[in-house]
Amino acid sequence: GEEVAQTPKHLVRGEGQKAKLYCAPIKGHSYVFWYQQVLKNEFKFLISFQNENVFDETGMPKERFSAKCLPNSPCSLEIQATKLEDSAVYFCASSPWTGRTGELFFGEGSRLTVL
Amino acid sequence: RKEVEQDPGPFNVPEGATVAFNCTYSNSASQSFFWYRQDCRKEPKLLMSVYSSGNEDGRFTAQLNRASQYISLLIRDSKLSDSATYLCVVTALKGGTSYGKLTFGQGTILTVHP
Repeated sequence: GEEVAQTPKHLVRGEGQKAKLYCAPIKGHSYVFWYQQVLKNEFKFLISFQNENVFDETGMPKERFSAKCLPNSPCSLEIQATKLEDSAVYFCASSPWTGRTGELFFGEGSRLTVL
Repeated sequence: RKEVEQDPGPFNVPEGATVAFNCTYSNSASQSFFWYRQDCRKEPKLLMSVYSSGNEDGRFTAQLNRASQYISLLIRDSKLSDSATYLCVVTALKGGTSYGKLTFGQGTILTVHP
């Protein structure tokens, strides 16, 4: 597709429930990034993929968060046993190449609310 | 200390005003610098890249001072449609090279009023 597609747009979960978010990057883009934006505009990097391989996972809270990018499937970000502080907008972004480019193409985000 | 720091504002200016935003970054090895714009509850979009020589795009001028690790954005003749959050963004490094991962400042809120 010509844009990054994220689903669902909104997700509500009770504490302790699982949440799974999906992202279809722009066709031909080999890099996928997940960011978490909480209140006050703080963007936190979670993880990046180069095709289906994890490229950088330094931002992932590994105990409860996991992510995948499998061939011919949307990428996914899964949160096991959600906590209140997981409430945020999760943005997926894709990029066609590495190097100096800074233009990541963002999806519209998935807003997760944990009650 | 945060890797990228901005004055969060908010900046409230009248139409036609000139407004400047500043940003500092802590990693002297950072290679690429950008301003992104985020409208309320929407995804961030690239506004412009920032080059060492300074660059201009219409009413927007960006400057980079590597020695001071300082980036600026100047908006001239502000329009109502410029109201948004402006994010200072720096590429992070992995293994000494830039690969496209972005580090965001906390954003500066701009409101342009009639």
